[in-house]
Amino acid sequence: NAGVTQTPKFRVLKTGQSMTLLCAQDMNHEYMYWYRQDPGMGLRLIHYSVGEGTTAKGEVPDGYNVSRLKKQNFLLGLESAAPSQTSVYFCASSPGGLERQQFFGPGTRLTVL
Amino acid sequence: GQSLEQPSEVTAVEGAIVQINCTYQTSGFYGLSWYQQHDGGAPTFLSYNGLDGLEETGRFSSFLSRSDSYGYLLLQELQMKDSASYFCAVRDRGNNDMRFGAGTRLTVKP
Repeated sequence: NAGVTQTPKFRVLKTGQSMTLLCAQDMNHEYMYWYRQDPGMGLRLIHYSVGEGTTAKGEVPDGYNVSRLKKQNFLLGLESAAPSQTSVYFCASSPGGLERQQFFGPGTRLTVL
Repeated sequence: GQSLEQPSEVTAVEGAIVQINCTYQTSGFYGLSWYQQHDGGAPTFLSYNGLDGLEETGRFSSFLSRSDSYGYLLLQELQMKDSASYFCAVRDRGNNDMRFGAGTRLTVKP
């Protein structure tokens, strides 16, 4: 099993450009999450999903959109990138509730110029 | 609102025991989790305390006291590979989302 994978691993955008980050999991987990992590800080939840076709806002949802059309995939979109969105983005999944063990992907390092 | 506080840095020697504390302010939560993250890596789950008391998993133990709004992670027989950042996290009942502390950077010295 590959676990949780993220595409791409690195990306550089110019301000105003758009992009989509892809997360895939092969563990048949119901819950999926998108976090961002800035230097010296903990993880901050952007959006999450408790099942196919559902999404919910986390702590810092502004400027991001998500979709969960298939159970195994969770997409994070940036419609108009801003330098403040420069960060490392982690996707995670879990079989149960948010408080239970989450399995993280390797991360995507995004730089917005 | 809620916040989780943990020390920013801790240093210990190989073979020693270290305790990383986490205090929190939240209107209600489901339990306290701990994650480990090595530099450049992804967070990995260490433990979860849904109830008060001590949970033990090998060299790592975690404790929760809801009445004191306090928890800790205890690492025994420290090894060099334990050098990493450690994060406490809670699922907040009010917001129904996950909140992480800023992390404690543990350095294990020979």
